[in-house]
Parts: sequence; C-alpha cells; structure tokens
Amino acid sequence: DSGVTQTPKHLITATGQRVTLRCSPRSGDLSVYWYQQSLDQGLQFLIQYYNGEERAKGNILERFSAQQFPDLHSELNLSSLELGDSALYFCASSVAPGYGYTFGSGTRLTVV
Amino acid sequence: GESVGLHLPTLSVQEGDNSIINCAYSNSASDYFIWYKQESGKGPQFIIDIRSNMDKRQGQRVTVLLNKTVKHLSLQIAATQPGDSAVYFCAENRSGGGADGLTFGKGTHLIIQP
Repeated sequence: DSGVTQTPKHLITATGQRVTLRCSPRSGDLSVYWYQQSLDQGLQFLIQYYNGEERAKGNILERFSAQQFPDLHSELNLSSLELGDSALYFCASSVAPGYGYTFGSGTRLTVV
Repeated sequence: GESVGLHLPTLSVQEGDNSIINCAYSNSASDYFIWYKQESGKGPQFIIDIRSNMDKRQGQRVTVLLNKTVKHLSLQIAATQPGDSAVYFCAENRSGGGADGLTFGKGTHLIIQP
C-alpha cells in the first residue's frame, strides 16, 4: 500500500456520461497530481494541486476538471466521455513540488 | 513528441546479470530526475531520484547515473531478480526548481530470463 488511495478501481461507463475519480493523498503530502496512462501515450500529466490551489496544468482537456478540497483529497471530473478517454488514471502525491511522487494504484476507466 | 525517452522499448536480461536501462532528455534546464518501476496492474513505484548537482546516486541494488553533458540518465540494477520484471520509466522535472508535473518517457519493459 503506497498510502495514496484512489477510488473506484474500475469504472465502466457509456459515451457522453460524466464520472468522478477520487484521490486521497498520502498523509502529510500537500501536492496532488493527476496522470492519464494509455497504451499509445504513456503517462501524461493532467493537472497539479498544492494545498488546495491549482499549481500547474498539463494536457488536460476542457471536458476534464479537478479540484483539491480543504482536507487535501482531490477529485478528477471527466465529462462528455468519449471512447478515447478509456485509460488508467493515476493520482500521485508529494510533500511539496519538486519532490518524488507516490502514486496510487489507479482507476481503470472504460468508456463503451 | 516526447523529449524524455528511453532508448529501448524492451530489454531482456538473464537472472543474476546486471541490467542497464537508459534514458535521454532534451531540456538542459531540467534539474530533477526520477526512475519509476511499474508492475502489471499497479501504479508506478518510486525507485530512485537524482538532482542535477549530482552525477551518481546509489540505492539498494540500484544506481542512477546522470551525465549532464550529453543529457543522459541511466538506471543500473545489480543482480537482476525475477521480481525486477516491470516497465521502467524515467521522468524529468522541467521547471528548473521544483513544482509542476514530471514528464515521463514511454518506458522500457525489462524481461528477466531464467
């Protein structure tokens, strides 16, 4: 157990739907990162939060949004889902930006 | 395209031999590098990191070498074991001082031959 908790582990949904992925960072970590991993794209950085504030954005689509709550857990919202959004979504946390990340076990999203 | 990448998509080694996985990066401003190991069905697991003020760092059975002159990073695994079978990713931090998302290469699949 890495200390980073992601739920759900698996999610199957239809195109056009909206889902929410949840992440609880490791205790003491203030930074949360979201990554998407697909077979042909590797690990793609989506977005980062630090202590509740958005810190950096990567290749995140406008249909996707995220937030970090006062208790530091984070949610990634994916809307108007397309088949191509099927992927593993990882959350990672670190004590602060610039330090090594600890990854959760991921959420496998399948859009049908 | 990727500016952080691994030279070989698959590396096959005999159990007990040493493994060397290579990575090239393109941004000379990158100052923090990490190696991750990802086993099937699991999230990436931190192995070892190195900052640009160092050229070598050792962990348990692993060594990371950084050559800033040619922008090359390598991971050496000593006495490779079956449990080392996984995909290995190098990652760089482009911000030059912390923060922001790491950029990952596509990974090298390490296969251990008995």
